[in-house]
Amino acid sequence: GAVVSQHPSWVICKSGTSVKIECRSLDFQATTMFWYRQFPKQSLMLMATSNEGSKATYEQGVEKDKFLINHASLTLSTLTVTSAHPEDSSFYICSARQGTNTEAFFGQGTRLTVV
Amino acid sequence: SQKIEQNSEALNIQEGKTATLTCNYTNYSPAYLQWYRQDPGRGPVFLLLIRENEKEKRKERLKVTFDTTLKQSLFHITASQPADSATYLCALERDSNYQLIWGAGTKLIIKP
Repeated sequence: GAVVSQHPSWVICKSGTSVKIECRSLDFQATTMFWYRQFPKQSLMLMATSNEGSKATYEQGVEKDKFLINHASLTLSTLTVTSAHPEDSSFYICSARQGTNTEAFFGQGTRLTVV
Repeated sequence: SQKIEQNSEALNIQEGKTATLTCNYTNYSPAYLQWYRQDPGRGPVFLLLIRENEKEKRKERLKVTFDTTLKQSLFHITASQPADSATYLCALERDSNYQLIWGAGTKLIIKP
């Protein structure tokens, strides 16, 4: 199957700083990527849909100015958590699909801890 | 709006037995349904996709059924092994924007 690579796998940052997470599709072109957030023992919560060459579509309640998404190429989407606070600590996962009626390929996830 | 319900209680199964997990949805019947496995600290991994016109789908020790009348999918692992221990998620197509709706997952524990 297709491979999605996410980096870093974990990061610890100080409150008030920004963190960038990268998501790459290694062997296919992903016009659409998805960013999720997952709390312990909870389901995947879709944060935004990232479209190559256009603005991301954010889910209700997700602050677009705090979670900046850039999808500059068909193989790379980035999520930047700006001015991070301890409540932003979570597991962030990216995903890509090659179309409807197909499976989703996930990155390894990034464990963000804000201290 | 469409919602997915999976048993939030962990499922404990003895090694060698068949594990059966349930996924119920509340609204319209999707064109297809998917099952994923997620290990702690990792992203989900795709297992099986079943279409609405398929009653059953198999892959090695895995079997998925899809009952649109009951609005339910069952996921079976036969001859279960401790390595099958993980959280299993089901997902449905949300709309035409490639988005998926996810269940909360059921944690499966296979005891040796």
